Amino acid sequence: GAGVSQSPSNKVTEKGKDVELRCDPISGHTALYWYRQSLGQGLEFLIYFQGNSAPDKSGLPSDRFSAERTGGSVSTLTIQRTQQEDSAVYLCASSSPGEKLFFGSGTQLSVL
Amino acid sequence: KNQVEQSPQSLIILEGKNCTLQCNYTVSPFSNLRWYKQDTGRGPVSLTIMTFSENTKSNGRYTATLDADTKQSSLHITASQLSDSASYICVVSAKNAGNMLTFGGGTRLMVKP
Repeated sequence: GAGVSQSPSNKVTEKGKDVELRCDPISGHTALYWYRQSLGQGLEFLIYFQGNSAPDKSGLPSDRFSAERTGGSVSTLTIQRTQQEDSAVYLCASSSPGEKLFFGSGTQLSVL
Repeated sequence: KNQVEQSPQSLIILEGKNCTLQCNYTVSPFSNLRWYKQDTGRGPVSLTIMTFSENTKSNGRYTATLDADTKQSSLHITASQLSDSASYICVVSAKNAGNMLTFGGGTRLMVKP
């Protein structure tokens, strides 16, 4: 596609459930980032994939969060045993190295 | 610690007026600085990029400045329009490898008729 695609656009889940968020980056972009944006807050870095290198997971807030990127393209962010504080917009971005980021429209996650 | 501070946190102006948003950073070694516009419910979109040697760059009604000595950048919006209502985020990139992007907290701009 022409841009970064994220799905679902909205996800409502119950506390304790697992959720999986998907990101389709722009074709050819080797860099992929996940960020989290809580209401009224700035962007919080979660994880970064660059080509075949080991991902930088330094931003993941707990071991309930994990992400993978299959075949250097699609990425999934998984949150296990969701908590209410996980409620936020999860943004995915991709880029060519050193170039500007192209963001998806995000997944609004609401944990009840 | 790399940090990016933006001011003001929020701003309300009347349509047609100008405004200036500020970004101060401590990221080192500096590579570049980008301003992004984020409409409500959307992902950020890049407006401009400033490298070390650039002082001013314009993109339509948006003009970004960079003072690498004082580590300050500004985004000036001329003749504001209602569609300028958005969050403006300053992002600074470090020269070392990897994901060394540091995001500011953003300025929430509201343009009123």
